Amino acid sequence: SQKIEQNSEALNIQEGKTATLTCNYTNYSPAYLQWYRQDPGRGPVFLLLIRENEKEKRKERLKVTFDTTLKQSLFHITASQPADSATYLCALINDYKLSFGAGTTVTVRA
Amino acid sequence: DAGVIQSPRHEVTEMGQEVTLRCKPISGHNSLFWYRQTMMRGLELLIYFNNNVPIDDSGMPEDRFSAKMPNASFSTLKIQPSEPRDSAVYFCASRWGQGVGADTQYFGPGTRLTVL
Repeated sequence: SQKIEQNSEALNIQEGKTATLTCNYTNYSPAYLQWYRQDPGRGPVFLLLIRENEKEKRKERLKVTFDTTLKQSLFHITASQPADSATYLCALINDYKLSFGAGTTVTVRA
Repeated sequence: DAGVIQSPRHEVTEMGQEVTLRCKPISGHNSLFWYRQTMMRGLELLIYFNNNVPIDDSGMPEDRFSAKMPNASFSTLKIQPSEPRDSAVYFCASRWGQGVGADTQYFGPGTRLTVL
């Protein structure tokens, strides 16, 4: 069966450190992968898209990698800030359909 | 732009009652999605419309659920009769494009439904 797993339900880190989140999938062949941020009581907000033929994508303090051989994406938040505290969701894309992981909640301590 | 608008934001109802959730997509977007989010199952796609036509309703749980999109600026998700297990946050999302899914989906704030 198809499965998307994101690492540990919660990640607590010190301000200024790098947070690394993992998204592993099985029985999917996604052409694209997206990462979203979700704050409590709000809908997910798009952050980054990476294509299957791209190894790495960056946006400001965010970096995403995509390894289709390992079936894994890594999401990095560098120089983390308390404002980065949120739940981060990975989503695999086939055609129009997004399939989401359960999310990883990140808490950045000042 | 006001973004995707959903109403109501919160709904509390009793088992057996009809519930109607509403969504106004971003103007100009031609695709609309309804999702449901629960702790147990995460975020799941219920139905996808393109140009007001339902394309994929395979995620709709059962016949108690129905969705319509009478025009490009309005969609409803109806549950009749509602059951406690329908309690969840329901999100509407819209985007421009109909091809491969690289296009960004914009999510509304969600409707938190509680069925007693």
